Amino acid sequence: AQSVTQLGSHVSVSEGALVLLRCNYSSSVPPYLFWYVQYPNQGLQLLLKYTSAATLVKGINGFEAEFKKSETSFHLTKPSAHMSDAAEYFCAVSADTNAGKSTFGDGTTLTVKP
Amino acid sequence: EAQVTQNPRYLITVTGKKLTVTCSQNMNHEYMSWYRQDPGLGLRQIYYSMNVEVTDKGDVPEGYKVSRKEKRNFPLILESPSPNQTSLYFCASRPTQRKTYNEQFFGPGTRLTVL
Repeated sequence: AQSVTQLGSHVSVSEGALVLLRCNYSSSVPPYLFWYVQYPNQGLQLLLKYTSAATLVKGINGFEAEFKKSETSFHLTKPSAHMSDAAEYFCAVSADTNAGKSTFGDGTTLTVKP
Repeated sequence: EAQVTQNPRYLITVTGKKLTVTCSQNMNHEYMSWYRQDPGLGLRQIYYSMNVEVTDKGDVPEGYKVSRKEKRNFPLILESPSPNQTSLYFCASRPTQRKTYNEQFFGPGTRLTVL
């Protein structure tokens, strides 16, 4: 079984401030973890993914995430928020032993204030 | 251009009138999946297909049907839609069945309203 919990359905930051979006997962086998971004009226697109090669993963648009097995976390960060980062962000988990199932978190809406 | 397409993008219908939402991908992906997105609930998986003629239930399959007769197409069928199926629907595909480290590619979404 696998699950994802995103802490905070809404996060608001000022432009230039640190962005931190939290994701905790549960998986009985080694997981693969993903962050997707959804801009208004669009589908989801991949920001970054963890596939066990490296615990610190860099993605597009300056985002990065760190896989911490001991904390079962995969939090998304960006040092300096930009107005264009305003979107909804989804954390997702999958595993090869249950290859059909994909589990997404409830999403976090990021607002960036000028 | 590599993409997942969905049609229609918007649909308003009435309770009980059968409808089909089409999904097509041009990337030769083996795996395809349908999700619904509702406020505060994230994306929930409806059905998925590991390959042609192989489909299975996701977390919320009730009221939906799918088929996978060709690799590129994965239509979602609502035989008797009800208002609780009003939602935003996404189709997605992934290159391989078993290697879930590959990310999914999503369509643009279909906004369905059932009156």
